[in-house]
Amino acid sequence: GAVVSQHPSRVICKSGTSVKIECRSLDFQATTMFWYRQFPKQSLMLMATSNEGSKATYEQGVEKDKFLINHASLTLSTLTVTSAHPEDSSFYICSARDPRTGHEQYFGPGTRLTVT
Amino acid sequence: TQLLEQSPQFLSIQEGENLTVYCNSSSVFSSLQWYRQEPGEGPVLLVTVVTGGEVKKLKRLTFQFGDARKDSSLHITAAQPGDTGLYLCAGGSKIIFGSGTRLSIRP
Repeated sequence: GAVVSQHPSRVICKSGTSVKIECRSLDFQATTMFWYRQFPKQSLMLMATSNEGSKATYEQGVEKDKFLINHASLTLSTLTVTSAHPEDSSFYICSARDPRTGHEQYFGPGTRLTVT
Repeated sequence: TQLLEQSPQFLSIQEGENLTVYCNSSSVFSSLQWYRQEPGEGPVLLVTVVTGGEVKKLKRLTFQFGDARKDSSLHITAAQPGDTGLYLCAGGSKIIFGSGTRLSIRP
């Protein structure tokens, strides 16, 4: 199946700093990628849809100025958490839809963010 | 807004027993997916159901899509400790996840 990678897998940052998370589709081109957040013992919550070459679409309640998304190429989307706070600590997961298979999405391994 | 509710939220059973997890919605979905997630990892796709009434089998796992395409179920036969994990149903054009079922199989 299709492969999606994320980097880094774990990151610790200090409160007030920014951190960037990368999501790459390794063997296919993805015009659309998705970013999710997952708190402990909860399900995944969709944050935003990342569109190659255009602005991301954010879900209700997600601050676009705090979670900056850039989809600069067909294989790379980045999520930057700006001015991080401890409550931003979470597991961030990206996914991409493989156009070769239609409706199926493949997920990255996730990035554990801890803000101290 | 499309919502997916899963039940039960938690399930702890003995190895060898059977179990069923349900995924329900008031909305119609063109397809539903089932994922399994291990701690600290991304979800892994198990199956996609597309046709109302469809039944798919994956070894000891049986997936069914409701006739009206509003619900789905996952049945595990003779559960094993390796089946332990978080099971998620999902659907929609931008994949929306259900609330999840955390399954624990005791040896």
